[in-house]
Order: sequence, then structure tokens, then C-alpha cells
Amino acid sequence: DGGITQSPKYLFRKEGQNVTLSCEQNLNHDAMYWYRQDPGQGLRLIYYSQIVNDFQKGDIAEGYSVSREKKESFPLTVTSAQKNPTAFYLCASSIEGTSYNEQFFGPGTRLTVL
Amino acid sequence: GNSVTQMEGPVTLSEEAFLTINCTYTATGYPSLFWYVQYPGEGLQLLLKATKADDKGSNKGFEATYRKETTSFHLEKGSVQVSDSAVYFCALTNTNAGKSTFGDGTTLTVKP
Repeated sequence: DGGITQSPKYLFRKEGQNVTLSCEQNLNHDAMYWYRQDPGQGLRLIYYSQIVNDFQKGDIAEGYSVSREKKESFPLTVTSAQKNPTAFYLCASSIEGTSYNEQFFGPGTRLTVL
Repeated sequence: GNSVTQMEGPVTLSEEAFLTINCTYTATGYPSLFWYVQYPGEGLQLLLKATKADDKGSNKGFEATYRKETTSFHLEKGSVQVSDSAVYFCALTNTNAGKSTFGDGTTLTVKP
């Protein structure tokens, strides 16, 4: 079955450590996105990529970094510069980055900073 | 900029009750509008969408009509079930990058 996988489902890290969240899709989608979800709030866009080897900052990119070396993969690194990293992180993809196409979401990674 | 405002929750209904979740938006141009659903501990799933004014999106008994004159995309269902309990997000997309703007979500609980 085609879809998006995120790993791990739960992640714990100590303050001051960088951590990388995995996102893989086998839908052959061009566009991929990373969102952060906090309790009682909507999704906020961290980074997005419309094509391999290219990505742009979203609304809350500070303290995060990404890479897009392969079409299927869009890993997110949460750096020690992110002041409040505890949150639920969602990865999504769409066929292409246009306004008509819906996004397909992975199951999410819950990051807790201890 | 773009924004989406959803009816505040939580919403609690009895099984077979009528559901309306209000959604209004602010955007330039001609956005596409979406409703997504999120079950506990999971990612979002597309529920329905509409890409131009007066379009009606529908799926699993849910409906929403794209009303440009009132900038609204209200979600309705005639008879809810316990299994409809979830968080519902209204969203719009109107850029070539496909970036979406989401509302804050409305939590629906349906009691038997």
C-alpha cells in the first residue's frame, strides 16, 4: 500500500541535543511538508519542498532544518536552538505543490524534551 | 495574509443528531478549501474538498459547500455516529507551492 511513514512514533530527547525525525513516502509525490501541532491549535508549517534538492522555510522554521536529497525522503532535524520543541510533528505530501491537491499525512511523531 | 476561523469546540452531540461545524476564511484570489479529520494519536485524513465557488464536497455523509459570497465552507452531516468522534480541521490552499493554512480544529464527541 502507498503511504507516508514517520518514525519513530515517540521520541524523547534531553535539552541541548539535536534529533532527526524521519519521513518517507512511496506515493511518488513531488511536494512534501513538515508541520508542528500543539494542543488545541492548528497545524503550523515548518518547512516545505516542491522538488528534490530544493526547500523553503515555512512560518516557524527557526530552530529546525531539513534536507531533500531523494524524492521519497524529507527528514526534519530539531536543533538545540529550538526553544520549545515538545510537540506533535506531522509530515505530509501532495502530488505537486498546487492549490488543487490535497495533502496526505503520516501518522506523526510525538517529541518530548526532558 | 490567509486565515481560517473555525467554530470553537468542543462539540458534544447525541448519536443521530445533526452536525454543523462553521468555517470562514480570509484569502486573496481563489483558494481551494478542505476539511480534514484527525483521530486520536493519528495524522490528518482528507474528508472532502472543493476547488471553486459553489462546488459541494461530500464524503461519508459529510457535506460542505464553497460559498465565496460569505467566505464560508461549513461542514454538515445529517446524522452523526459515535465513530465520527474526532477533531475536524478546515483548511485552504491558494499558492503555487500548495501551502495550506489550517484552522485550530474542532473536537467532536458523539455519545450513544
